[in-house]
Amino acid sequence: QQQVRQSPQSLTVWEGETTILNCSYEDSTFDYFPWYRQFPGKSPALLIAISLVSNKKEDGRFTIFFNKREKKLSLHITDSQPGDSATYFCAASPSSGSWQLIFGSGTQLTVMP
Amino acid sequence: ETAVFQTPNYHVTQVGNEVSFNCKQTLGHDTMYWYKQDSKKLLKIMFSYNNKQLIVNETVPRRFSPQSSDKAHLNLRIKSVEPEDSAVYLCASSAGLGGSAETLYFGSGTRLTVL
Repeated sequence: QQQVRQSPQSLTVWEGETTILNCSYEDSTFDYFPWYRQFPGKSPALLIAISLVSNKKEDGRFTIFFNKREKKLSLHITDSQPGDSATYFCAASPSSGSWQLIFGSGTQLTVMP
Repeated sequence: ETAVFQTPNYHVTQVGNEVSFNCKQTLGHDTMYWYKQDSKKLLKIMFSYNNKQLIVNETVPRRFSPQSSDKAHLNLRIKSVEPEDSAVYLCASSAGLGGSAETLYFGSGTRLTVL
């Protein structure tokens, strides 16, 4: 049973466009939602995160929008750049601890110049 | 800058052999983890360990075992590898004792191929 779902599985956009990556979850005990980015051949690294107390989190060109009622999040990347090409993982962690951090299956993003 | 070091980078072995992967973190973190990333890039936690407790994902086969000498080291041993163990094994660490809002810092991974 996949507790954190991501869509689309892969996405191609043109340079300068806004990219929208979607994530949804089922478990009501989740209270922390990090997004990790993995470049080809590299390891995942934290990109941006949001907790239950917020509806929106912004960091430069990256913004998380959070709809708690529907248990949905989205990551928006404005002015997408070829250097943003990577796999983006949405994850969710319950209050009981990071050892239960659940990753989604990822969205592979390609930004064409 | 790499602060979670994994060795080896690659390992090829045959079914039934025993393998061991090493992980060391120089961040002074209290908790370390092992994750498995399969060919579809799916990330699944295997173990979480700090000086207070070892937490094992119940879906992990018993041929896998973590080994720690101190809080900076967490190695992974696979007693008798199976073909489905082929994957990238990622070590990670976090600063605290496993609270929900902790950032994971990953090593570069060990790619295991089982023939």
